[in-house]
Amino acid sequence: LAKTTQPISMDSYEGQEVNITCSHNNIATNDYITWYQQFPSQGPRFIIQGYKTKVTNEVASLFIPADRKSSTLSLPRVSLSDTAVYYCLVGADTGKLIFGQGTTLQVKP
Amino acid sequence: GAVVSQHPSWVICKSGTSVKIECRSLDFQATTMFWYRQFPKQSLMLMATSNEGSKATYEQGVEKDKFLINHASLTLSTLTVTSAHPEDSSFYICSAGLAGGRNEQFFGPGTRLTVL
Repeated sequence: LAKTTQPISMDSYEGQEVNITCSHNNIATNDYITWYQQFPSQGPRFIIQGYKTKVTNEVASLFIPADRKSSTLSLPRVSLSDTAVYYCLVGADTGKLIFGQGTTLQVKP
Repeated sequence: GAVVSQHPSWVICKSGTSVKIECRSLDFQATTMFWYRQFPKQSLMLMATSNEGSKATYEQGVEKDKFLINHASLTLSTLTVTSAHPEDSSFYICSAGLAGGRNEQFFGPGTRLTVL
């Protein structure tokens, strides 16, 4: 399974757009890129998934360049409730997920 | 949407006792479920893959006799921590996915185990 690298932490303010970039240089052809959000003492929650180019849902956007060696999760207009740990994972359709360290996002008022 | 539940949400036990944690997929069937452990301020660590009707597959370094996994039905997997010790205190989380769900896993709310 491809290893991912993310910033350990990020700070932002309410109303700002937050972009979290993840590096996955060894991504395989059949790997998807998936982002999860985790609040303290809760299980992770699926945010978004993509294979290439851009994906957007009601929560976030995911930008994936042509070489797929990185991806950027974009959270528009964050609020205090977006303070959480965000995990980037890559893998094929097996369900088995290897979590990296994640990015702790702190949203300030 | 797909919902995964865990029971209990928290448990405190004495050292040397065994604790069973249940993971259920409430509105879908899951032939495969996964068990993770998470220590404070750390990431999730995959412990094992629970396979319905067959033996679980354990990750390297996870003792299969210590962490017994049973996946007796398509909606239930159980993790039993045998002869628990204080170092087993952790947050245990399970996940399950829809068939062909392209790696989208639905996670349970977690179980906080404290061993005294």
